[in-house]
Amino acid sequence: AQSVAQPEDQVNVAEGNPLTVKCTYSVSGNPYLFWYVQYPNRGLQFLLKYITGDNLVKGSYGFEAEFNKSQTSFHLKKPSALVSDSALYFCAVRESLGYSSASKIIFGSGTRLSIRP
Amino acid sequence: DGGITQSPKYLFRKEGQNVTLSCEQNLNHDAMYWYRQDPGQGLRLIYYSQIVNDFQKGDIAEGYSVSREKKESFPLTVTSAQKNPTAFYLCASSPGTDITGELFFGEGSRLTVL
Repeated sequence: AQSVAQPEDQVNVAEGNPLTVKCTYSVSGNPYLFWYVQYPNRGLQFLLKYITGDNLVKGSYGFEAEFNKSQTSFHLKKPSALVSDSALYFCAVRESLGYSSASKIIFGSGTRLSIRP
Repeated sequence: DGGITQSPKYLFRKEGQNVTLSCEQNLNHDAMYWYRQDPGQGLRLIYYSQIVNDFQKGDIAEGYSVSREKKESFPLTVTSAQKNPTAFYLCASSPGTDITGELFFGEGSRLTVL
């Protein structure tokens, strides 16, 4: 069974500093990996995804993520944090369910990112 | 604008009552999903549907029911059999045939059982 883990419940960073939100995964085949962001009482918004190709993926709002196959990780990064980046971040892996059009996404438990001014 | 609309945003229910949460999308997506979100537990899949008139149980389907009579609509009923229904419920959709595609989410419905 496929799974995804976010080892940190909360990450605290000062504004202007680089940030990293960690994610590790376990899959039987090739992973399709995603990052989403959620603001309070809102739905999730897609940030970026890794399907194949370049290990460094760039996404919305200046975020990027690095796929590392040997470490089975897909950490989310940003060179310079903003207070407005404060939110709940979810890593997810997509699982194929055996027939071509069926799949579901498995989500991590989320990491709360807090950026202090 | 295209998107997913969930209603109501907030709902209060007495114990023993069934409630139905609405989810409508105008993205022409084939696949639709219902997730439940509880603090510290991430999102858990309740039901999903790949095409009209077909749906499958997710990881926590007990006490819930769905229907998919139209492509754009995927309502979720929380029945009295659900032991702990207080939660934030999220509906999502995706094109369906492309498993590399991301999900598009609605704004959520917060259900509180009194």
